[in-house]
This record gives sequence, C-alpha cells and structure tokens, in this order.
Amino acid sequence: DAGVTQSPTHLIKTRGQQVTLRCSPKSGHDTVSWYQQALGQGPQFIFQYYEEEERQRGNFPDRFSGHQFPNYSSELNVNALLLGDSALYLCASSLTLQGALTEAFFGQGTRLTVV
Amino acid sequence: SQQGEEDPQALSIQEGENATMNCSYKTSINNLQWYRQNSGRGLVHLILIRSNEREKHSGRLRVTLDTSKKSSSLLITASRAADTASYFCATDEGYGGATNKLIFGTGTLLAVQP
Repeated sequence: DAGVTQSPTHLIKTRGQQVTLRCSPKSGHDTVSWYQQALGQGPQFIFQYYEEEERQRGNFPDRFSGHQFPNYSSELNVNALLLGDSALYLCASSLTLQGALTEAFFGQGTRLTVV
Repeated sequence: SQQGEEDPQALSIQEGENATMNCSYKTSINNLQWYRQNSGRGLVHLILIRSNEREKHSGRLRVTLDTSKKSSSLLITASRAADTASYFCATDEGYGGATNKLIFGTGTLLAVQP
C-alpha cells in the first residue's frame, strides 16, 4: 500500500516562472492538504482540497492555486515565482468522515528552489 | 503565522537519556499532534492527543496536554541515535471535529549522541 507520493522530488525554477507540483494521496484517502515549509521553520498551511474543491485556505496569495482530480490526486500551482517561494512543499492526505478528518499522512515533499 | 512555540529550539543529549520538548500555543484546539522530521524531508506522525485528554503514551513517547496553560510536552525515554531529528507540535483548531488545517510550531532540533 503506497503512502503519499509527491513529484518531483527537487525542482529549480527561475524567478517569474510558474511551477506545478503533484501529489497522490494514500490509498483510501480523499482529502489533500498542502503546506509550505521554509528553511528552519515549521510547515505553514496553504490550502485543502476535498471533492475537487478548495475547502480551506491559509494566508497565501492568489499566486498559489490548486486542483484536485476525480481520483483524489492533487496539484499545487504557483505563478510568478519569487525567491521567497523557495521551500519544501509538503502534501498531506486524510479521509473525511462525517465532517471530521482522520489522521494526516505526509509525503516526502518537493524541494523547490527559485533562482 | 506559527501557532506555537517550542522550547528548547535545540537539544543535545547522550544515548539512553530522556528528552523533553515543550510546546505552547495560543488558541483553543480540537487536538494537538507531534511530528518528527528527518533532514528536512517528510513529516512522520508520532502521536495525537485530544483536547479532553491529559496524557497519552505510545512506546517510548509520553505526551501531556494542559489546556488551561495552552501547553504540551513530549517526552522521549531511553533515547537512541536514530531519534535525532526535528520535532514539531501542531494544533488543529477545528470545532466539532478535526479539520487537518494544522498549525505548526517552530520545532525542536534533537541531537542524540551515541
């Protein structure tokens, strides 16, 4: 049973470019959350997707957008990259049961470097 | 913004000793969780304690929660070199159930010397 998988593992982009990160949730999970972790900091919540819609959002600009597909996998898109977007991007999956969520399982992350 | 602060920021101990990390948070919570992170990679879930619980054990881990003081502690007993990692607390503020909109602390870097 595969856990949460993220791709790519590492990515280098140029300032101003756009990037797409991908996440496949753990088998049986239907809810995907994305986090940004800057170096030396704790992860910060970006947004959460359930039933192909954004359900919750953290304090991130509109340059950060996402999508969830019918198979529950998800993408995180960041437009007009800034140097400050350099971080580890983590995906977490869980199952929504009667309005509440089960424990979140995290992927290994995508290390994004903006130069 | 970060919800919690963890103390200490860094901790170095010898193998076999106990390690205690503390976490403080700011708002009411549904639950508090502890995670481990090795070398800036993925987070591994260690333990979850709900707001109506005061103490929980899992193997060599012991977690306490004091909602009146808005604080939690993680105790790792008989530490091993493999416990070397960063440890984060994370709170879930969901009303009526967990939302998994986790708010993480700043982390404690634990180094266990063999």
